[in-house]
Amino acid sequence: EAQVTQNPRYLITVTGKKLTVTCSQNMNHEYMSWYRQDPGLGLRQIYYSMNVEVTDKGDVPEGYKVSRKEKRNFPLILESPSPNQTSLYFCASSFNILENTEAFFGQGTRLTVV
Amino acid sequence: GQQVMQIPQYQHVQEGEDFTTYCNSSTTLSNIQWYKQRPGGHPVFLIQLVKSGEVKKQKRLTFQFGEAKKNSSLHITATQTTDVGTYFCAGQAGNNRKLIWGLGTSLAVNP
Repeated sequence: EAQVTQNPRYLITVTGKKLTVTCSQNMNHEYMSWYRQDPGLGLRQIYYSMNVEVTDKGDVPEGYKVSRKEKRNFPLILESPSPNQTSLYFCASSFNILENTEAFFGQGTRLTVV
Repeated sequence: GQQVMQIPQYQHVQEGEDFTTYCNSSTTLSNIQWYKQRPGGHPVFLIQLVKSGEVKKQKRLTFQFGEAKKNSSLHITATQTTDVGTYFCAGQAGNNRKLIWGLGTSLAVNP
């Protein structure tokens, strides 16, 4: 089954404790991205990757890091989480950005930073 | 910067009534996509419109792309409780073909 898998689904952590949210897709997609969703603010792109070893900042990259060492995986790293990073996070993938650009989303990770 | 405005932000209807959400872009789009997010769920792709003036239908849902490729609408005929959720439009524009998201329209349906 074609899917994007995020883990964990829920996470409560403390300020400053490094964490990683994993994202994996099994569709051989080139393009992957991370979004955060906050009430009234819609979906805001954090980082994106157009292919292996190619990543770039989205609209709200501060406080986040990503890596794309393999095509299927695109982890989101919070080196020193702060309460303003409490949010619902989605990973998404698509074939590429030129054609078949339909985005497939993961189930989401609800992060609370206290 | 490039923006996609989506209205209304919320809509509450009685089951059986029609519903429409509108998206307007500040720039010409190469295409526009529509997604639905059920409460507690993740966005799910509904459709993509590419051509100027394009109209596509999926059962009770009708999607339109404006002639100038700057606006789009989603119309639902005779809403059902299964239509509840937030509908997002997302347009692609610019050389990097970035997806620009509307803020979404949350639809509530009274049975």
